[in-house]
Amino acid sequence: NAGVTQTPKFQVLKTGQSMTLQCAQDMNHEYMSWYRQDPGMGLRLIHYSVGAGITDQGEVPNGYNVSRSTTEDFPLRLLSAAPSQTSVYFCASRSLAGEYNEQFFGPGTRLTVL
Amino acid sequence: ILNVEQSPQSLHVQEGDSTNFTCSFPSSNFYALHWYRWETAKSPEALFVMTLNGDEKKKGRISATLNTKEGYSYLYIKGSQPEDSATYLCAYLPNAGGTSYGKLTFGQGTILTVHP
Repeated sequence: NAGVTQTPKFQVLKTGQSMTLQCAQDMNHEYMSWYRQDPGMGLRLIHYSVGAGITDQGEVPNGYNVSRSTTEDFPLRLLSAAPSQTSVYFCASRSLAGEYNEQFFGPGTRLTVL
Repeated sequence: ILNVEQSPQSLHVQEGDSTNFTCSFPSSNFYALHWYRWETAKSPEALFVMTLNGDEKKKGRISATLNTKEGYSYLYIKGSQPEDSATYLCAYLPNAGGTSYGKLTFGQGTILTVHP
């Protein structure tokens, strides 16, 4: 099992550019989510999905789009990058079956917007 | 926005000291409380998932307790070692119609540094 994978690991964008951060998991988890991590702010939820075709907004969704066409993949799209989106992005997944379901995180993508 | 708060923000201890941190969360509509350990330059990894009031979990020198009625959880580390240095995160999962479909909300974490 590869677990949760993210690409790329690092990315530099110019203001106004768009890009997609890729996330995939091979554990057949229903729930997938995207967080951003900023100094002093902890992990903040951007968007999440409880299954293919179902997505919803988290705490800080503005400037980001997601889609979930398969159980495995949950890409995050930055529509028009801004310096305020400079951050480390983590994708995560967990099973929705049962109660004791820990969340598994990808390795993170460090994004810099100039 | 759900309020999940952790204290202290940071903690410095000497090797061999025992320590504990607090996570407070909404006491209503509770489903589960998660604890994660996050080492620098790595991803968070789960320590415990707790669901029942009065629950106690243990993994080696680390243990956690849960009080859902008053909305707090404690994480204890006995005999801290330098390799315990990390950020410890708690996360609150609300009850979504009796399911775990809710949004997992994280606290800001407690940064632990254990000095040799």
